[in-house]
Amino acid sequence: GQQLNQSPQSMFIQEGEDVSMNCTSSSIFNTWLWYKQDPGEGPVLLIALYKAGELTSNGRLTAQFGITRKDSFLNISASIPSDVGIYFCAGRGTGGFKTIFGAGTRLFVKA
Amino acid sequence: DAGVIQSPRHEVTEMGQEVTLRCKPISGHNSLFWYRQTMMRGLELLIYFNNNVPIDDSGMPEDRFSAKMPNASFSTLKIQPSEPRDSAVYFCASSTSGGAITGELFFGEGSRLTVL
Repeated sequence: GQQLNQSPQSMFIQEGEDVSMNCTSSSIFNTWLWYKQDPGEGPVLLIALYKAGELTSNGRLTAQFGITRKDSFLNISASIPSDVGIYFCAGRGTGGFKTIFGAGTRLFVKA
Repeated sequence: DAGVIQSPRHEVTEMGQEVTLRCKPISGHNSLFWYRQTMMRGLELLIYFNNNVPIDDSGMPEDRFSAKMPNASFSTLKIQPSEPRDSAVYFCASSTSGGAITGELFFGEGSRLTVL
């Protein structure tokens, strides 16, 4: 079945640093999504990407839909302590509603 | 507007007991998804419904798990009998049919299940 490989698994950074994480797949996706999960909460959508090559920003967050449609990355600039959480990539393939999630990247930010 | 509402938020039960988790999707959303989250396996899609009809239940672990959506505003996920390995956080998410194109799922806060 479809699988997403998300890396890194975890990151420990200093406040103010930039962060980059990515997802790859052996399958083509029509939509790439990035979610953030805070402790005790459900994942919340950060950015949605709908076209190959698309680059989208949301404040300090920037994400891109890879040109091959098999990968995506998320960058966070100038990290702050509230960026702490688990970041998930998710992909949706052709012809359906099924959304597959990566394993997540745990981000720790030291003030 | 209310988001996706799940209940209970926490449930502790003993092995062999029946567990029922409940979900109320966002009003107007016609797709509903049940996910299970564990440290080992991450977020796994169990089943999803469109217009109250189950579309894909291939993620349901085994016959002990069942899900229903009797109307547009309510869904249940039932485990009978429960086992310790079912301990996890169970999330419900909903989207519009447009979400089938845009992929935007809105998640509830989850139901944390512990089976002793």
